Amino acid sequence: SQQGEEDPQALSIQEGENATMNCSYKTSINNLQWYRQNSGRGLVHLILIRSNEREKHSGRLRVTLDTSKKSSSLLITASRAADTASYFCATRQSRGAQKLVFGQGTRLTINP
Amino acid sequence: DSGVTQTPKHLITATGQRVTLRCSPRSGDLSVYWYQQSLDQGLQFLIQYYNGEERAKGNILERFSAQQFPDLHSELNLSSLELGDSALYFCASSVGDDNEQFFGPGTRLTVL
Repeated sequence: SQQGEEDPQALSIQEGENATMNCSYKTSINNLQWYRQNSGRGLVHLILIRSNEREKHSGRLRVTLDTSKKSSSLLITASRAADTASYFCATRQSRGAQKLVFGQGTRLTINP
Repeated sequence: DSGVTQTPKHLITATGQRVTLRCSPRSGDLSVYWYQQSLDQGLQFLIQYYNGEERAKGNILERFSAQQFPDLHSELNLSSLELGDSALYFCASSVGDDNEQFFGPGTRLTVL
């Protein structure tokens, strides 16, 4: 079963608007990572946030992590058509198998 | 370009056959991970190697095996192929367990 669950499954907004995607997970984690995937291509790493961090920025991206609620959010500001892609959160669990577990992703469409 | 290379890009084969997928990690990365991405199962972790040794195992079938060679490149062997094995297979590499993973472009396997 998936550790991370993204919400919404699909999001369609106008260019220039902000896009927010959420991720919830079930067990304790060492870190949480966000990736982007353009259709049928490889995943591109966006941001890694560790369990002792609450917020991280990278350009137009802002990621928050709330370990008490076991949730994270990815905010993309001033969206562009090129941001159209699927976005995945992935969690690295702190116990058990040290593997990266991906959610099902949010399909983001930016309309020009 | 992530620095991770995978060959071949596409592979079309018949049921019952055996194929080998190859991955070269980023320079300096000791960990190699294999993932399978299909429409119904999403992105599933298969196996991880670290400096030549198996480090973690995920949902890898017994028909599948992998290894990491002294030069750190890795191969994923898929045998007795079934229609359901058709998927995108990604390789990723990282410096260590708790760092971001960099993904290759993937190998699209089609089993007819």
